[in-house]
Amino acid sequence: QSVLTQPPSASGTPGQRVTISCSGSRSNIGNNYVYWYQQLPGTAPKLLIYKNNERPSGVPDRFSGSKSGTSASLAISGLRSEDEADYYCAAWDDSLSGGVFGGGTKLTVL
Amino acid sequence: QLQLQESGPGLVKPSETLSLTCTVSGGSISSSSYFWGWIRQPPGKGLEWIGSIYYDGSTYYNPSLKSRVAISVDTSKNHFSLKLSSVTAADTAVYYCARETSLRSNWFDPWGQGTLVTVSS
Repeated sequence: QSVLTQPPSASGTPGQRVTISCSGSRSNIGNNYVYWYQQLPGTAPKLLIYKNNERPSGVPDRFSGSKSGTSASLAISGLRSEDEADYYCAAWDDSLSGGVFGGGTKLTVL
Repeated sequence: QLQLQESGPGLVKPSETLSLTCTVSGGSISSSSYFWGWIRQPPGKGLEWIGSIYYDGSTYYNPSLKSRVAISVDTSKNHFSLKLSSVTAADTAVYYCARETSLRSNWFDPWGQGTLVTVSS
């Protein structure tokens, strides 16, 4: 049972817009920044979004993040086949005094 | 370009100590701006933060693993290390090292490629 809650799966067709949610509490998402990681099959996770909605250099602007209260979302527009991956949200949890991750969402491009 | 590479035994016996090293290249581990962390991923499962260290040796650990974890740093070799004691099959996972961009953030970039450690007799 992960501290941050994500749907286990999501899907969309090429060109569509897909949203992945991440639900937490005041001690994690509510009080701290949210980060998103993309894990392509058989590879290490890669930072996709930092500080709720900032994109690292090289990440396409098709990817965007948002946060409201104790929830966050990752949106992917203009879906492409290469976006098929696992996506994880992450934050610091003040109550646990530790970093926490969501359980991950497997995105399938139909 | 900063790169991290994990190394260590791929097989550890139950009750023994898992030891891994992360070698940093393309940058100094002594940079005052960053921390260095370990994260693991059991096969087919999600990510779990293990702990992080600053170049001066200051550490912070996942409370659920704290009694068994020790992370150390060797600035002369530009690497940091993980020791996890009294391992069981539940500790079988891919272990990643990564740079943590700010204190107590869970903001990791970049990551090493990961190394699979299997706990089995």
